[in-house]
Amino acid sequence: AQSVTQLGSHVSVSEGALVLLRCNYSSSVPPYLFWYVQYPNQGLQLLLKYTSAATLVKGINGFEAEFKKSETSFHLTKPSAHMSDAAEYFCAVSDSYGGADGLTFGKGTHLIIQP
Amino acid sequence: NAGVTQTPKFQVLKTGQSMTLQCAQDMNHNSMYWYRQDPGMGLRLIYYSASEGTTDKGEVPNGYNVSRLNKREFSLRLESAAPSQTSVYFCASTTGDAGGYTFGSGTRLTVV
Repeated sequence: AQSVTQLGSHVSVSEGALVLLRCNYSSSVPPYLFWYVQYPNQGLQLLLKYTSAATLVKGINGFEAEFKKSETSFHLTKPSAHMSDAAEYFCAVSDSYGGADGLTFGKGTHLIIQP
Repeated sequence: NAGVTQTPKFQVLKTGQSMTLQCAQDMNHNSMYWYRQDPGMGLRLIYYSASEGTTDKGEVPNGYNVSRLNKREFSLRLESAAPSQTSVYFCASTTGDAGGYTFGSGTRLTVV
């Protein structure tokens, strides 16, 4: 069974500072990994995904994530936080595309941007 | 715009009432999913459908039924709503290749 652990239910950074959101996963097979963002009262928007190509994945809005197999991690980073980055972020894992297990989500990290 | 459309966006039910949440996608995706989102719990899978006429239970299927009548539509039914089913419900779909999963904007359901 897959599982995802997001360290820190709330992360607060100053505007312009580095954003680092942590995600560790467990999977019995090489995984597909995703980061989604959810703005208040909205659906989930895909930030980026890892599908066994390059280990450093670039996404939208200046975010990127690095797949580290030895650490079973897929942390999300952004060099300089913007006020508009304030949202809920979810890491998710799947061992197959379109399979019965779908995506297994972490519990989410609420990102707070301090002015 | 292409995507996943969910209706209604908001709903308040009394305990014991029934209702159906509708989901439709126009991307010709085979796989469709229903998730519920609760504070501090992330999203949890309720039901999955690989194709028309086929459905499988997910992590939290109790109290729900689903129907996949055609490739586009995947509905979720609450036969007798309970306060524990107060949640935000999301429908998602995917092609099954590396294209990713697309989510609807959600249905916020309150059961009183």
